[in-house]
Amino acid sequence: SQQGEEDPQALSIQEGENATMNCSYKTSINNLQWYRQNSGRGLVHLILIRSNEREKHSGRLRVTLDTSKKSSSLLITASRAADTASYFCASTGGGNKLTFGTGTQLKVEL
Amino acid sequence: KAGVTQTPRYLIKTRGQQVTLSCSPISGHRSVSWYQQTPGQGLQFLFEYFSETQRNKGNFPGRFSGRQFSNSRSEMNVSTLELGDSALYLCASRPPGTGDNSPLHFGNGTRLTVT
Repeated sequence: SQQGEEDPQALSIQEGENATMNCSYKTSINNLQWYRQNSGRGLVHLILIRSNEREKHSGRLRVTLDTSKKSSSLLITASRAADTASYFCASTGGGNKLTFGTGTQLKVEL
Repeated sequence: KAGVTQTPRYLIKTRGQQVTLSCSPISGHRSVSWYQQTPGQGLQFLFEYFSETQRNKGNFPGRFSGRQFSNSRSEMNVSTLELGDSALYLCASRPPGTGDNSPLHFGNGTRLTVT
């Protein structure tokens, strides 16, 4: 399978804490994207980082990319209960096809 | 703008039957992709359509097929359903002229249960 791996599989934190999720992929990429999925719903795009970028910020989100290690991380700062969801990384190596990671289930408790 | 719309939201079918799922992309989006999501295999790419042509295909058997109409609406069909086809089927569209350096916009999916 070409599917990427995400770590941890599940993460439980208190509101206000930071959450870090890691993603590894297998092939060379054009870009790497992060998506959020609330239970049983569709995916919502969070952030995209191109292969020639090393770090990107969007609001409370910070994404890093290390192409030499074929890995990326997503940091959510000052987490809120509304951040509770599954988070997926997805890579594109051309052809408009996304290869998704296995996902991290994040639970933010009050 | 309305988002990606998938119908029906839920579907229950029996083994051996066939099913058709529908997807209406965001207005102006011509690229439509389909993904299957299961607890065991995760999110897997099925196929992508652009301007009524299949542009890319994942590793699924021929029982899975799709098409796109001139108004960019897309349908996917699964014939001779198997229990393992039970999944959330997600459709996504992409703005024109952006290639793969742009995000996909997903619908809320069709939950298919095969009994």
